[in-house]
Amino acid sequence: EVQLVESGGGLVQPGGSLKLSCAASGFTFSASSMHWVRQASGKGLEWVGRIRNRANSYATSYAASVRGRFTISRDDSDNTAYLQMNRLKTEDTAVYYCARSTNWGCDYWGQGTLVTVSS
Amino acid sequence: QSALTQPPSASGSPGQSVTMSCTGTSSDVGGYNYVSWYQQTPGKAPKLMIYEVTKRPSGVPDRFSGSKSGNTASLTVSGLQAEDEADYYCTSYAGGSNTLIFGGGTKLTVL
Repeated sequence: EVQLVESGGGLVQPGGSLKLSCAASGFTFSASSMHWVRQASGKGLEWVGRIRNRANSYATSYAASVRGRFTISRDDSDNTAYLQMNRLKTEDTAVYYCARSTNWGCDYWGQGTLVTVSS
Repeated sequence: QSALTQPPSASGSPGQSVTMSCTGTSSDVGGYNYVSWYQQTPGKAPKLMIYEVTKRPSGVPDRFSGSKSGNTASLTVSGLQAEDEADYYCTSYAGGSNTLIFGGGTKLTVL
């Protein structure tokens, strides 16, 4: 059974940093690309970024709203993807989901972790 | 990259069919066959319903179908059931920026 479990969310002050984790199981993580998607309370879904697999040089791409502040990485030995978030803004407050990629679709999703940016 | 355009709401009675649209540009929806649709109910993670415009993941009822014409993609739900009431989001790959863009979502109400 495919499982994705996000962790690391919490309360952080504007300008601060936070690192989210996404623990994967039930599939060959090293062969998969992974997305991060967020959703502010009562709002729609917003794509954050994607990391490809080793065969594609772990290439990353990001939404314009987070480019230069957020970094996606992965540890294939630990079946975990990460989202490092720096210089956080109040508008980054959202539930953050990780999802497995299938040709620019997301076929499996985690349950999400809440990030609140507030003073 | 602007968000894809979806109507905020749609509705239908049980047994009816409803079609939801998702309009982009030639740089995203019209240029690539990487349109996906997701169903989301309150408090839950999204669920993939359609990928690559027309493909249905295993376990998704064949009442759900996808199509595309020009810069507009569509999701049709046939034989509406109460359990289909949810928010539906479309996404498309945007090649120029190598990003994924979402629509604003359509709230489907089963009357």
